[in-house]
Amino acid sequence: DIQMTQSPSSLSTSVGDRVTITCQASQGISNYLNWYQQKPGKPPKLLIYGASNLETGVPSRFSGSGSGTDFTFNISSLQPEDIATYYCQQYDILPLTFGPGTKVDIK
Amino acid sequence: EVQLVETGGGLIQPGGSLRLSCAASGFSVSNNYMTWVRQTPGKGLEWVSIIYSGGSRYYTDSVKGRFIISRDNSKNTLYLQMNSLRPEDTAVYYCARGHSRGQGSFDYWGQGTLVTVSS
Repeated sequence: DIQMTQSPSSLSTSVGDRVTITCQASQGISNYLNWYQQKPGKPPKLLIYGASNLETGVPSRFSGSGSGTDFTFNISSLQPEDIATYYCQQYDILPLTFGPGTKVDIK
Repeated sequence: EVQLVETGGGLIQPGGSLRLSCAASGFSVSNNYMTWVRQTPGKGLEWVSIIYSGGSRYYTDSVKGRFIISRDNSKNTLYLQMNSLRPEDTAVYYCARGHSRGQGSFDYWGQGTLVTVSS
């Protein structure tokens, strides 16, 4: 199985700050990577697919990049409504696997 | 409007069976790939099973031989039959629709149904 790791596991920062989360796959997955946002008590919401493609309706302050084993997710200017846990997920090979999540909070 | 509504969760003893349903509206389950993902309370996300539009089905190793994914096109509903349940199957179970432009990406999710396996 492909193992996904994320860094950091949590972060606390100010409104308006740039947020960067990294995700690493245990083997190359090309660009078959998604990013999801999950708020407490809610299902995950797809933000980015194919490593860098913004899902329809998602604000442009969210972005993703990377290929192979190393990926980055950015929020250009953190908003209060962005408080959530963010997960990466690979879909190169079954079983689909998720990262452990990064909890983003406001300082 | 696309909507997914899961039902069927509950408290079940180890070794028991449950069938989860995921009623879809706004699209056809037969024309999309569909998946089940679970989340242990307070923990992360784990993929469980997937069914493709052509009917192929796959499972994570821990549920192979115990869980069966299926769909009823006439009812536009996805199912997860869960047998020989174990305490470690305790989780919120989500169904989700496959994204048309990212095989393995999921653009609509249900609200989830809680399965608790305990004596």
